[in-house]
Amino acid sequence: DIQVTQSPSSLSASVGDRVTITCRASQIIGSSFNWYQQRPGKAPKLLIYTVSALQGGVPSRFSGSGSGTDFTLTISSLQPEDFATYYCLQTYSAPWTFGQGTKVEI
Amino acid sequence: EVQLVESGGGLVQPGGSLRLSCEASGFTFSSYWMSWVRQAPGKGLEWLANMKHDGSEIYYMSSVKGRFTISRDNAKSSLYLQMNGLRAEDTAVYYCGRLEYRSAWCQDSWGQGTLVTVSS
Repeated sequence: DIQVTQSPSSLSASVGDRVTITCRASQIIGSSFNWYQQRPGKAPKLLIYTVSALQGGVPSRFSGSGSGTDFTLTISSLQPEDFATYYCLQTYSAPWTFGQGTKVEI
Repeated sequence: EVQLVESGGGLVQPGGSLRLSCEASGFTFSSYWMSWVRQAPGKGLEWLANMKHDGSEIYYMSSVKGRFTISRDNAKSSLYLQMNGLRAEDTAVYYCGRLEYRSAWCQDSWGQGTLVTVSS
């Protein structure tokens, strides 16, 4: 099974900050990598697919990058509505695996 | 607009069974792979199973294989998860999802979730 290690598990930031979250897969997974945002009490929402493609309707301050085993989600200028938990997901092979999550707090 | 609505959650005793349903609308259900993902209280997301649009391919997480069964009825635009031999650690919100291949797989739509509580 492919393991996905996400870091940090939580971070404190302020409005306007640049935020970076990273995930590392235990093997090369090509472009089969996605990022999700989950607000409290809500279902996850797709932000980024195939490493760097922005899902429709998602603000351009979100971006994804990476290759091989290392992937990054960047929020260029944190907004109040961005305080949430973020998860990465590898879909290269079953069982699909999520990262442990990163809670972005004020 | 894509809509996925889960139902069937509730309180069940350890060892019991439950069948979750997910009713889809706003897209051609019979053309899409679908999935189930769960989230234990205060914990992260855990992928459970995927099913091909025609039911001919199914994949499970190892810890639920043999206990959980994913199925679908394309005529009813519905996805199901039959859960048997439930354990306390199966307590979670269960989400159904639509999968799409965009050079690689992603889950692009999620339901609102249904809570399953396994307790005596």
